[in-house]
Amino acid sequence: AQKVTQAQTEISVVEKEDVTLDCVYETRDTTYYLFWYKQPPSGELVFLIRRNSFDEQNEISGRYSWNFQKSTSSFNFTITASQVVDSAVYFCALSLYSGGYQKVTFGTGTKLQVIP
Amino acid sequence: DTGVSQDPRHKITKRGQNVTFRCDPISEHNRLYWYRQTLGQGPEFLTYFQNEAQLEKSRLLSDRFSAERPKGSFSTLEIQRTEQGDSAMYLCASSFGGDRQYFGPGTRLLVL
Repeated sequence: AQKVTQAQTEISVVEKEDVTLDCVYETRDTTYYLFWYKQPPSGELVFLIRRNSFDEQNEISGRYSWNFQKSTSSFNFTITASQVVDSAVYFCALSLYSGGYQKVTFGTGTKLQVIP
Repeated sequence: DTGVSQDPRHKITKRGQNVTFRCDPISEHNRLYWYRQTLGQGPEFLTYFQNEAQLEKSRLLSDRFSAERPKGSFSTLEIQRTEQGDSAMYLCASSFGGDRQYFGPGTRLLVL
């Protein structure tokens, strides 16, 4: 069975601070995808990134960066110079190919509040 | 390229009533998924369609829940005899083959 753990339930930072959201996953499969989604108060899940299990290269996109370490089964997400618009719930997710489709397991989310 | 749409966006109903939600996937996507998200939790998988065939159902999907995808296009999710525990956000997603899933805006259900 697969599992995604986001130990941080809520984080508050002051605007312009950097913040890292932690994600630890469990799976016995060697082929999988990892995702981060943003869910603002409107409720829609906004896709941020997808990484496959064979690509451990870290990625940077503007103020966002991701650190994938298979050795510790972690896929952490850092926001640099946070802004009020970053306030949202962030979900980490794991996707496995199971029964002919991508079975996605989500973590419980981390609520980020950026204070002006 | 229009995204996944869901209707209604919000639904308030009384316990015991039936409700039906609709999902329109991205037009070329052959796979469609339903998820349920309760407060403070991540989305949980409910069921999956490939074209018009419902290929997998979670044990979360009780007998009061039924989903259809006639002609492999839009899908409906019906909840019969709603209970207060059914209050949640119901999310639909679609994909083309094994590509990533694209999520709709969700339907928020409140059962009084």
